[in-house]
Amino acid sequence: SQQGEEDPQALSIQEGENATMNCSYKTSINNLQWYRQNSGRGLVHLILIRSNEREKHSGRLRVTLDTSKKSSSLLITASRAADTASYFCATDASLTFGKGTMLLVSP
Amino acid sequence: DGGITQSPKYLFRKEGQNVTLSCEQNLNHDAMYWYRQDPGQGLRLIYYSQIVNDFQKGDIAEGYSVSREKKESFPLTVTSAQKNPTAFYLCASTYSSGRARPRGTQYFGPGTRLTVL
Repeated sequence: SQQGEEDPQALSIQEGENATMNCSYKTSINNLQWYRQNSGRGLVHLILIRSNEREKHSGRLRVTLDTSKKSSSLLITASRAADTASYFCATDASLTFGKGTMLLVSP
Repeated sequence: DGGITQSPKYLFRKEGQNVTLSCEQNLNHDAMYWYRQDPGQGLRLIYYSQIVNDFQKGDIAEGYSVSREKKESFPLTVTSAQKNPTAFYLCASTYSSGRARPRGTQYFGPGTRLTVL
């Protein structure tokens, strides 16, 4: 069964702006992961946040996790055209992926 | 270099033919996975394997078969029984510490795009 659902389905912003995408899940988890997929490529792991963590940073990425709401958000700050990709969340409770959020960053 | 490879990158097949997609990893990971991705869609799980000589069906296993004779290799055969095989196929692997809650960080291959003519 599908676990992570990303929102919005698509997001279009200008370079330099911040991009926020959200993920909701259904069951209890030990960790949640975010992945990125460039068009026609495999997924690349970006960041993992554990259930006992509320926020985690990696470069321009900031991930939050709210286990009471069963939701997570991924913030990309000062976006660049190279950030254009689809972003997926996944949890350790399921082997499936949602449809992702397609991010378009225009120069 | 450690990683996961898939071959070929592009594959064309005539209707009615079986075709095998290769997936190899040298990460010493126990678990391996096959996903199918259609345009604008998420990833759907076809088969996964937690350990050598063992594998389980995913959500869309019909028309596909796999084997796991070696830890490093998890080939996927798309059979003629698969009604709509044209898609992008992704293989992944992960270190697995056990059968419960198996998924840690997944490492993906570059994918194989299969087109049925």
